[in-house]
Amino acid sequence: DSGVTQTPKHLITATGQRVTLRCSPRSGDLSVYWYQQSLDQGLQFLIQYYNGEERAKGNILERFSAQQFPDLHSELNLSSLELGDSALYFCASSVVDSTPNTGELFFGEGSRLTVL
Amino acid sequence: GEDVEQSLFLSVREGDSSVINCTYTDSSSTYLYWYKQEPGAGLQLLTYIFSNMDMKQDQRLTVLLNKKDKHLSLRIADTQTGDSAIYFCAETLFSGGYNKLIFGAGTRLAVHP
Repeated sequence: DSGVTQTPKHLITATGQRVTLRCSPRSGDLSVYWYQQSLDQGLQFLIQYYNGEERAKGNILERFSAQQFPDLHSELNLSSLELGDSALYFCASSVVDSTPNTGELFFGEGSRLTVL
Repeated sequence: GEDVEQSLFLSVREGDSSVINCTYTDSSSTYLYWYKQEPGAGLQLLTYIFSNMDMKQDQRLTVLLNKKDKHLSLRIADTQTGDSAIYFCAETLFSGGYNKLIFGAGTRLAVHP
């Protein structure tokens, strides 16, 4: 158990809809990272927050947004969903505000999104 | 670019050695990593190597780094069925004042009797 909690574990929805994925980081971790894992694109970095502020942005679509709340949990909002958004979305956390030198991010088990 | 490349599949017999290869892009990466993803689970850090090292050994795992060719490999000795998983290579990319961890697509290791 990494200590990172993601909900829901599975989500099935229709094209055009909007969903929210939730992540609770490990106790004491201030950084939250979101990754998208799909069969054709591997593991793609989406966005990172540190202590409520956006820190780094990756290949995140404009239809997607995220935030980190004062209690440090984070939400990833996906809107106007398309079939290609079907993927496993991972949240990871770390103590520091940048990828730690040891590279140790602690990953949740992921939220599997299926868009029909 | 930010591409970290790995072969997608590797199949080995139980007891044999497995070698998973990776090429990365950023020659200034100070650390390179191997993560393991077991079925139904998130990624977990397996090992890492500092860029001034050529080799790191940790029990059955050996990491080799060739900085000139930007090539990283992970060797698993005496591969067991429990080693069946997806193995991700990752590098740090310093961009916009912060480090980002960039992953390869992952190599699915299948261990058969």
